[in-house]
Amino acid sequence: ELKVEQNPLFLSMQEGKNYTIYCNYSTTSDRLYWYRQDPGKSLESLFVLLSNGAVKQEGRLMASLDTKARLSTLHITAAVHDLSATYFCAVDITGTYKYIFGTGTRLKVLA
Amino acid sequence: ETGVTQSPTHLIKTRGQQVTLRCSSQSGHNTVSWYQQALGQGPQFIFQYYREEENGRGNFPPRFSGLQFPNYSSELNVNALELDDSALYLCASSFRAGGQETQYFGPGTRLLVL
Repeated sequence: ELKVEQNPLFLSMQEGKNYTIYCNYSTTSDRLYWYRQDPGKSLESLFVLLSNGAVKQEGRLMASLDTKARLSTLHITAAVHDLSATYFCAVDITGTYKYIFGTGTRLKVLA
Repeated sequence: ETGVTQSPTHLIKTRGQQVTLRCSSQSGHNTVSWYQQALGQGPQFIFQYYREEENGRGNFPPRFSGLQFPNYSSELNVNALELDDSALYLCASSFRAGGQETQYFGPGTRLLVL
């Protein structure tokens, strides 16, 4: 069964702390995506990771990809309240144009 | 703002009815994907259209169908609505040219089936 699993599902953290969200997937994939979704809103694209070892950073967020382990991480550095949102990873299945989203990680940063 | 628009924003239907949702892609994009997002869940891929043809489909029954027009706008049609079809429907447009393909999501249409 094709799965994309995120860990943890819920995360409550203090401002200024660091944390990592994990995304495991069970299928061969060419690309891995990270999105942010605020309550009642649509999805905002954060990162597209294309190859093994890819690392991208934007502000306090850094994403990496290990295609051999089928694992991506989203690392949060010195969290601030504005990062509170739900974060999704997604993969597209190699050789198809089908996308699978993860379960989502609901992040709450406490002041 | 992504430049992707959807209409209507909200819709209420009754079981058994049919619904059409619309999406206008970002300028220059040739690919559109549709997703269903139930409350508290991740988006589920319905299908993707590239240059007016469906070229990828998720695990949705045939009563979910779509169209992409020459101007790359798109429709999602759902027949014989069921209560479980209540969800946020998102479209996402992108430009396919090999390699990186970032999807830009519209604001969504929230459908309630009674």
